[in-house]
Amino acid sequence: GAVVSQHPSWVICKSGTSVKIECRSLDFQATTMFWYRQFPKQSLMLMATSNEGSKATYEQGVEKDKFLINHASLTLSTLTVTSAHPEDSSFYICSASGHLYNEQFFGPGTRLTVL
Amino acid sequence: AQTVTQSQPEMSVQEAETVTLSCTYDTSESNYYLFWYKQPPSRQMILVIRQEAYKQQNATENRFSVNFQKAAKSFSLKISDSQLGDTAMYFCAFMREGSQGNLIFGKGTKLSVKP
Repeated sequence: GAVVSQHPSWVICKSGTSVKIECRSLDFQATTMFWYRQFPKQSLMLMATSNEGSKATYEQGVEKDKFLINHASLTLSTLTVTSAHPEDSSFYICSASGHLYNEQFFGPGTRLTVL
Repeated sequence: AQTVTQSQPEMSVQEAETVTLSCTYDTSESNYYLFWYKQPPSRQMILVIRQEAYKQQNATENRFSVNFQKAAKSFSLKISDSQLGDTAMYFCAFMREGSQGNLIFGKGTKLSVKP
């Protein structure tokens, strides 16, 4: 199957700083990329959907000024958590779908800890 | 709006036995896809099996098979000859055709395989 990578796999930062997480599709062109947040023992919560070259579409309740998403190419999307606070600590997962739009391929996730 | 319900928060099974995880969904769409994803302790989302709604034949992947009942909007996963490595969270997910690959997840079932 298609491969999606995420970097970093874990990150610890101080409160008030910004953190960027990269999501790359390694062997296919990702027409659409998705960003999820997952709390312990819970399901994935969709944060936003992004199409290459377009502004991301954010789910209700997700602050777009806090969670900046850029999808500049067909193989790369980034999520920047700005002015991070301890409550932003979570597991962030990206996924990507190709032009067939009939499956999502998931990255391994990034664990963010804000001190 | 589509919803996915997994009514079993936790289940356990003895090694080598068979277990069935339940999933129901609600939609007015006629063309869609259904998925079962596995999330082991590593938290990497792994596709277990997928089913196209237009196909009457139940999907099978080695020890994993589904019972797809379109009229009843039911999509259960059967795991045969359970192995210790099957211990994981299992998520049922729905994707409407034409939705750019947007997945709607159930809350998950935690499966423990006991030796």
